[in-house]
Amino acid sequence: DVKVTQSSRYLVKRTGEKVFLECVQDMDHENMFWYRQDPGLGLRLIYFSYDVKMKEKGDIPEGYSVSREKKERFSLILESASTNQTSMYLCASTGRNTIYFGEGSWLTVV
Amino acid sequence: DAKTTQPPSMDCAEGRAANLPCNHSTISGNEYVYWYRQIHSQGPQYIIHGLKNNETNEMASLIITEDRKSSTLILPHATLRDTAVYYCIVRAKGEYNFNKFYFGSGTKLNVKP
Repeated sequence: DVKVTQSSRYLVKRTGEKVFLECVQDMDHENMFWYRQDPGLGLRLIYFSYDVKMKEKGDIPEGYSVSREKKERFSLILESASTNQTSMYLCASTGRNTIYFGEGSWLTVV
Repeated sequence: DAKTTQPPSMDCAEGRAANLPCNHSTISGNEYVYWYRQIHSQGPQYIIHGLKNNETNEMASLIITEDRKSSTLILPHATLRDTAVYYCIVRAKGEYNFNKFYFGSGTKLNVKP
Protein backbone atom coordinates (compact mmCIF):
# COMPACT_ATOMS: atom_id res chain seq x y z
CA ASP A 1 0.00 0.00 0.00
CA VAL A 2 1.06 3.55 -0.72
CA LYS A 3 1.82 5.44 2.42
CA VAL A 4 2.02 9.20 2.79
CA THR A 5 2.94 10.13 6.33
CA GLN A 6 2.58 13.55 7.88
CA SER A 7 4.65 14.04 10.96
CA SER A 8 2.17 15.96 13.08
CA ARG A 9 -1.57 15.45 13.30
CA TYR A 10 -2.40 18.34 15.62
CA LEU A 11 -0.37 21.47 16.29
CA VAL A 12 -1.03 24.70 18.14
CA LYS A 13 1.35 27.57 17.37
CA ARG A 14 1.54 31.22 18.28
CA THR A 15 1.29 34.07 15.80
CA GLY A 16 4.69 34.85 14.35
CA GLU A 17 6.20 31.42 15.02
CA LYS A 18 7.96 29.50 12.27
CA VAL A 19 6.16 26.24 11.59
CA PHE A 20 7.44 23.14 9.82
CA LEU A 21 5.10 20.48 8.47
CA GLU A 22 6.87 17.35 7.31
CA CYS A 23 5.67 14.76 4.82
CA VAL A 24 7.23 11.49 3.74
CA GLN A 25 6.08 9.04 1.07
CA ASP A 26 7.41 5.51 0.69
CA MET A 27 6.62 4.76 -2.96
CA ASP A 28 9.42 6.59 -4.76
CA HIS A 29 6.91 9.04 -6.26
CA GLU A 30 8.34 12.01 -8.10
CA ASN A 31 5.44 14.40 -7.60
CA MET A 32 4.45 15.71 -4.21
CA PHE A 33 1.91 18.34 -3.17
CA TRP A 34 0.77 20.46 -0.26
CA TYR A 35 -2.87 21.52 0.02
CA ARG A 36 -4.93 23.18 2.66
CA GLN A 37 -8.55 22.32 3.24
CA ASP A 38 -11.04 24.76 4.73
CA PRO A 39 -14.81 24.44 5.17
CA GLY A 40 -16.65 25.67 2.09
CA LEU A 41 -13.43 26.22 0.14
CA GLY A 42 -12.45 22.66 -0.63
CA LEU A 43 -8.84 21.75 -1.35
CA ARG A 44 -6.51 24.56 -2.37
CA LEU A 45 -3.05 23.87 -3.73
CA ILE A 46 -0.20 25.67 -1.98
CA TYR A 47 2.93 24.26 -3.62
CA PHE A 48 3.97 21.19 -5.53
CA SER A 49 7.21 19.57 -6.56
CA TYR A 50 8.10 17.45 -9.57
CA ASP A 51 11.53 16.43 -8.41
CA VAL A 52 14.18 16.93 -5.78
CA LYS A 53 14.99 20.61 -5.29
CA MET A 54 12.23 21.62 -7.70
CA LYS A 55 9.12 23.46 -6.61
CA GLU A 56 6.21 25.21 -8.24
CA LYS A 57 3.72 27.63 -6.76
CA GLY A 58 0.14 26.54 -6.54
CA ASP A 59 -2.90 28.73 -6.15
CA ILE A 60 -2.18 30.16 -2.69
CA PRO A 61 1.60 30.21 -2.04
CA GLU A 62 1.69 33.49 -0.11
CA GLY A 63 2.99 33.04 3.41
CA TYR A 64 4.38 29.58 2.69
CA SER A 65 7.57 28.05 1.39
CA VAL A 66 8.61 24.45 0.73
CA SER A 67 11.69 22.29 0.70
CA ARG A 68 12.39 19.08 -1.19
CA GLU A 69 15.94 17.95 -0.42
CA LYS A 70 15.17 14.24 -0.77
CA LYS A 71 12.76 12.52 -3.11
CA GLU A 72 10.68 11.00 -0.34
CA ARG A 73 10.34 14.13 1.78
CA PHE A 74 8.45 17.36 1.12
CA SER A 75 8.29 20.01 3.83
CA LEU A 76 5.92 22.94 4.14
CA ILE A 77 7.18 25.98 6.04
CA LEU A 78 5.16 28.82 7.46
CA GLU A 79 7.77 31.53 7.93
CA SER A 80 5.66 33.60 10.34
CA ALA A 81 2.40 31.92 11.25
CA SER A 82 -0.77 33.99 11.21
CA THR A 83 -4.27 33.21 12.44
CA ASN A 84 -5.60 32.99 8.88
CA GLN A 85 -3.31 30.00 8.36
CA THR A 86 -5.34 27.96 10.83
CA SER A 87 -6.43 25.04 8.68
CA MET A 88 -6.02 21.38 7.87
CA TYR A 89 -2.95 20.78 5.72
CA LEU A 90 -2.77 17.80 3.41
CA CYS A 91 0.31 16.34 1.79
CA ALA A 92 -0.05 14.14 -1.28
CA SER A 93 1.99 12.28 -3.85
CA THR A 94 1.09 10.87 -7.24
CA GLY A 95 1.81 7.50 -8.73
CA ARG A 96 0.04 4.90 -10.84
CA ASN A 97 -2.07 7.72 -12.32
CA THR A 98 -3.68 8.68 -9.09
CA ILE A 99 -3.04 10.90 -6.11
CA TYR A 100 -2.59 9.63 -2.55
CA PHE A 101 -3.09 11.81 0.50
CA GLY A 102 -1.68 11.81 3.99
CA GLU A 103 -3.82 11.85 7.10
CA GLY A 104 -3.71 15.61 7.42
CA SER A 105 -2.19 18.04 9.90
CA TRP A 106 -4.55 20.25 11.88
CA LEU A 107 -2.81 23.54 12.59
CA THR A 108 -4.25 26.13 14.95
CA VAL A 109 -2.51 29.51 15.14
CA VAL A 110 -3.41 31.54 18.21
CA ASP B 1 -12.32 20.79 -15.58
CA ALA B 2 -15.32 18.61 -16.28
CA LYS B 3 -17.98 19.29 -13.69
CA THR B 4 -19.52 16.59 -11.54
CA THR B 5 -22.85 16.59 -9.76
CA GLN B 6 -23.57 14.48 -6.70
CA PRO B 7 -26.46 14.39 -4.24
CA PRO B 8 -25.51 16.16 -1.01
CA SER B 9 -26.40 13.25 1.26
CA MET B 10 -27.62 9.66 1.32
CA ASP B 11 -28.56 7.14 3.97
CA CYS B 12 -27.83 3.44 3.88
CA ALA B 13 -28.59 0.61 6.30
CA GLU B 14 -25.61 -1.29 7.68
CA GLY B 15 -24.96 -4.45 5.69
CA ARG B 16 -26.80 -3.24 2.63
CA ALA B 17 -25.27 -2.02 -0.61
CA ALA B 18 -24.64 1.71 -0.89
CA ASN B 19 -25.03 3.09 -4.41
CA LEU B 20 -23.61 6.58 -4.85
CA PRO B 21 -24.43 8.32 -8.14
CA CYS B 22 -22.41 10.93 -10.00
CA ASN B 23 -23.26 12.90 -13.12
CA HIS B 24 -20.43 14.07 -15.38
CA SER B 25 -22.18 14.92 -18.63
CA THR B 26 -19.30 17.05 -19.97
CA ILE B 27 -16.62 14.41 -19.52
CA SER B 28 -14.19 14.19 -22.41
CA GLY B 29 -12.79 11.10 -24.01
CA ASN B 30 -9.48 11.04 -22.18
CA GLU B 31 -10.86 11.75 -18.72
CA TYR B 32 -11.11 9.14 -16.04
CA VAL B 33 -13.65 9.00 -13.24
CA TYR B 34 -12.04 8.88 -9.79
CA TRP B 35 -13.70 8.29 -6.45
CA TYR B 36 -12.31 9.34 -3.10
CA ARG B 37 -13.79 9.47 0.35
CA GLN B 38 -12.98 11.54 3.39
CA ILE B 39 -13.78 10.42 6.87
CA HIS B 40 -14.07 13.27 9.34
CA SER B 41 -10.72 14.77 10.34
CA GLN B 42 -8.73 12.54 7.99
CA GLY B 43 -7.14 12.95 4.58
CA PRO B 44 -9.00 11.84 1.44
CA GLN B 45 -8.70 8.15 0.70
CA TYR B 46 -8.47 6.81 -2.84
CA ILE B 47 -11.18 4.25 -3.64
CA ILE B 48 -11.24 3.44 -7.35
CA HIS B 49 -11.03 4.91 -10.83
CA GLY B 50 -12.08 3.92 -14.33
CA LEU B 51 -12.35 5.09 -17.93
CA LYS B 52 -15.25 3.29 -19.57
CA ASN B 53 -15.29 -0.30 -18.35
CA ASN B 54 -16.72 -1.25 -15.00
CA GLU B 55 -14.08 -1.68 -12.33
CA THR B 56 -13.95 -3.60 -9.06
CA ASN B 57 -11.43 -3.74 -6.26
CA GLU B 58 -11.41 -4.80 -2.63
CA MET B 59 -13.19 -1.64 -1.55
CA ALA B 60 -15.87 -0.99 -4.15
CA SER B 61 -17.22 -1.35 -7.66
CA LEU B 62 -17.50 1.42 -10.22
CA ILE B 63 -20.21 1.27 -12.86
CA ILE B 64 -19.85 3.74 -15.75
CA THR B 65 -22.71 4.17 -18.21
CA GLU B 66 -22.06 3.45 -21.85
CA ASP B 67 -22.22 7.13 -22.80
CA ARG B 68 -19.90 7.89 -19.83
CA LYS B 69 -22.09 10.74 -18.67
CA SER B 70 -22.72 9.20 -15.28
CA SER B 71 -21.33 6.61 -12.92
CA THR B 72 -22.22 4.82 -9.71
CA LEU B 73 -19.93 3.81 -6.88
CA ILE B 74 -21.13 0.68 -5.12
CA LEU B 75 -20.08 -0.33 -1.63
CA PRO B 76 -21.45 -3.88 -1.55
CA HIS B 77 -21.91 -4.29 2.21
CA ALA B 78 -21.78 -0.92 3.92
CA THR B 79 -20.50 -0.74 7.49
CA LEU B 80 -20.63 2.08 10.01
CA ARG B 81 -16.99 2.83 9.17
CA ASP B 82 -18.03 3.70 5.62
CA THR B 83 -19.76 6.83 6.89
CA ALA B 84 -17.87 9.59 5.08
CA VAL B 85 -18.06 12.22 2.36
CA TYR B 86 -17.60 10.62 -1.07
CA TYR B 87 -16.15 12.66 -3.93
CA CYS B 88 -16.47 11.94 -7.63
CA ILE B 89 -13.81 13.65 -9.76
CA VAL B 90 -13.00 13.50 -13.45
CA ARG B 91 -9.40 13.91 -14.46
CA ALA B 92 -7.29 13.23 -17.53
CA LYS B 93 -4.76 10.47 -17.09
CA GLY B 94 -1.26 11.52 -16.22
CA GLU B 95 0.36 12.31 -12.94
CA TYR B 96 1.05 15.92 -13.88
CA ASN B 97 -2.66 16.60 -14.05
CA PHE B 98 -2.92 16.52 -10.29
CA ASN B 99 -1.37 19.92 -9.84
CA LYS B 100 -4.94 21.11 -9.88
CA PHE B 101 -7.21 18.65 -8.18
CA TYR B 102 -10.48 19.97 -6.94
CA PHE B 103 -13.03 18.26 -4.78
CA GLY B 104 -16.59 19.49 -5.03
CA SER B 105 -19.08 19.15 -2.22
CA GLY B 106 -19.39 15.37 -2.50
CA THR B 107 -22.06 13.10 -1.03
CA LYS B 108 -22.28 12.60 2.71
CA LEU B 109 -23.06 8.91 3.18
CA ASN B 110 -24.66 8.06 6.52
CA VAL B 111 -24.58 4.35 7.30
CA LYS B 112 -27.10 3.56 10.00
CA PRO B 113 -27.31 0.51 12.27
